[in-house]
Amino acid sequence: TQLLEQSPQFLSIQEGENLTVYCNSSSVFSSLQWYRQEPGEGPVLLVTVVTGGEVKKLKRLTFQFGDARKDSSLHITAAQPGDTGLYLCAGTNSGGSNYKLTFGKGTLLTVNP
Amino acid sequence: GAVVSQHPSWVICKSGTSVKIECRSLDFQATTMFWYRQFPKQSLMLMATSNEGSKATYEQGVEKDKFLINHASLTLSTLTVTSAHPEDSSFYICSAEGVDSYEQYFGPGTRLTVT
Repeated sequence: TQLLEQSPQFLSIQEGENLTVYCNSSSVFSSLQWYRQEPGEGPVLLVTVVTGGEVKKLKRLTFQFGDARKDSSLHITAAQPGDTGLYLCAGTNSGGSNYKLTFGKGTLLTVNP
Repeated sequence: GAVVSQHPSWVICKSGTSVKIECRSLDFQATTMFWYRQFPKQSLMLMATSNEGSKATYEQGVEKDKFLINHASLTLSTLTVTSAHPEDSSFYICSAEGVDSYEQYFGPGTRLTVT
């Protein structure tokens, strides 16, 4: 069973601060996705990383995939209240003909104005 | 693009009744859809993989006779919770596999409350 550990589980910061969320596993994933979920809604895909060492930037968000494709990080610069939400990482398990997602437990981020 | 809808968005039913939840891909065809459930403050747990025109594949511990899945077309999958009990109350979310198979697009979820 492939597991993804996310840390921290909870994070409360002030507007303008920077933060990093981590997603770690002992297993190799063919790709890794980051999602943001707001209460009562489905997850929204932020980014997909597929190459070891890959770095992707989405405005104030920077995503990195570890060289060994076992871990990833999400860095947010100058956080805003609108960044508040549950951040989920999910790894793709290319078993058979379907690409199942294995989700981490998530990091609940609160950005206070 | 890649919009997935779910209906209903919330439902309250009595114990022992059955509830059907629909998942539709609105602007693309999805050979494969996935059903998840999520308890409060927890992550998503995969229940089953739904392939158009074939039987669903259930994850270990998920009762296939209780959670009936039908994927009759490339844009619609349904999940029926049969003989619902209060412990089935949860947030049910579907996703559809995108053109790049490793990406999934999620619906907005359905909140089921069984009284």
